[in-house]
Amino acid sequence: KAGVTQTPRYLIKTRGQQVTLSCSPISGHRSVSWYQQTPGQGLQFLFEYFSETQRNKGNFPGRFSGRQFSNSRSEMNVSTLELGDSALYLCASNLQGSNEQFFGPGTRLTVL
Amino acid sequence: GDSVTQMEGPVTLSEEAFLTINCTYTATGYPSLFWYVQYPGEGLQLLLKATKADDKGSNKGFEATYRKETTSFHLEKGSVQVSDSAVYFCALSGANYGGSQGNLIFGKGTKLSVKP
Repeated sequence: KAGVTQTPRYLIKTRGQQVTLSCSPISGHRSVSWYQQTPGQGLQFLFEYFSETQRNKGNFPGRFSGRQFSNSRSEMNVSTLELGDSALYLCASNLQGSNEQFFGPGTRLTVL
Repeated sequence: GDSVTQMEGPVTLSEEAFLTINCTYTATGYPSLFWYVQYPGEGLQLLLKATKADDKGSNKGFEATYRKETTSFHLEKGSVQVSDSAVYFCALSGANYGGSQGNLIFGKGTKLSVKP
């Protein structure tokens, strides 16, 4: 069974731009969560989607948003990029009823 | 709010040495506890987990016991190998909002380097 896939793996953007990251969960997993990983703040929860609905949200500004499609694939969007948004963005999926999350390899975003 | 504290790294050991990485947590309710490992350039892999007090998670020679009385979940391995060099994260499942099970709260991570 294929693991969680994320595209693209690397991105370089400039301040003020927006970016969209994509995540495909493991087949059969309907819950998708997003995390931001930085050297300073570590791993922080962004949001979780289940059945196309945001079920939980971390403490991030409204510039960070996401959505989930009927096939459980998810995207997250960051608008008006800031230098501090440079990070590794990790996506994870899990089966409904399980809190065991499976992570993708991440998208490395660099904001210049 | 819920939080996880784990020992600061880096930790450098010789091959076959004993490993302990301390992890303590603060949480309301009864969270599940996890150890994840991250190899360079990769995402996180679940190493082991425990879902209730006194449970012992184990995998690949690593062990951790859920200690409710000391709110701890220390990671141990009796004999480390060079291939164990990675960053280790302790985590707990956050508050269950509306059935949510996807918000893990992580410690800062401990970098382990094992020398031959």
